[in-house]
Amino acid sequence: GENVEQHPSTLSVQEGDSAVIKCTYSDSASNYFPWYKQELGKRPQLIIDIRSNVGEKKDQRIAVTLNKTAKHFSLHITETQPEDSAVYFCAGFGAGSYQLTFGKGTKLSVIP
Amino acid sequence: NAGVTQTPKFRVLKTGQSMTLLCAQDMNHEYMYWYRQDPGMGLRLIHYSVGEGTTAKGEVPDGYNVSRLKKQNFLLGLESAAPSQTSVYFCASSRVGLDTGELFFGEGSRLTVL
Repeated sequence: GENVEQHPSTLSVQEGDSAVIKCTYSDSASNYFPWYKQELGKRPQLIIDIRSNVGEKKDQRIAVTLNKTAKHFSLHITETQPEDSAVYFCAGFGAGSYQLTFGKGTKLSVIP
Repeated sequence: NAGVTQTPKFRVLKTGQSMTLLCAQDMNHEYMYWYRQDPGMGLRLIHYSVGEGTTAKGEVPDGYNVSRLKKQNFLLGLESAAPSQTSVYFCASSRVGLDTGELFFGEGSRLTVL
């Protein structure tokens, strides 16, 4: 099955700086890679996703890039704000599977 | 439109006791899932259902059972609770398969087994 590794496990940045979280996956047939944000004590919520036929996708301050050859994808947050502080999870969806495999999460702290 | 609702939100059990977590969704979604979340472990799939009357095992199914008698409800049962099942449990649903659709999560149920 799919195996998703996420790094780093914790990340601290100054407000206004950029943050990058990286994930690698094992199944070369995986075709869908979402990112979920979970604020403290809340439920995870989808913030952005990318499919294997696209190399990059942006939504305001958030972007995701995908390198199929190297089997890794990254979340980029620019101009970070305190409300970006949360745990971020990447996930991979293997072709022919009903399951999303999640990374172990990155706790992002944005320091005012 | 409440989305995905879980009950109860908190529960404390003694080892060996049984309980059922109820998940209800009002979005007419076909797919429903139960995940557990443990510190540093991410979200791990316990069981899932691709439609009314169907269930299937996920990554960590041992010690749990599920039922989907009605499309809008997905029940997670613990027959004989163990301390290793102390966790936060999230139910989720999606309209279509996960390669095309968003997962909508409930608020979570925190279970402690003593």
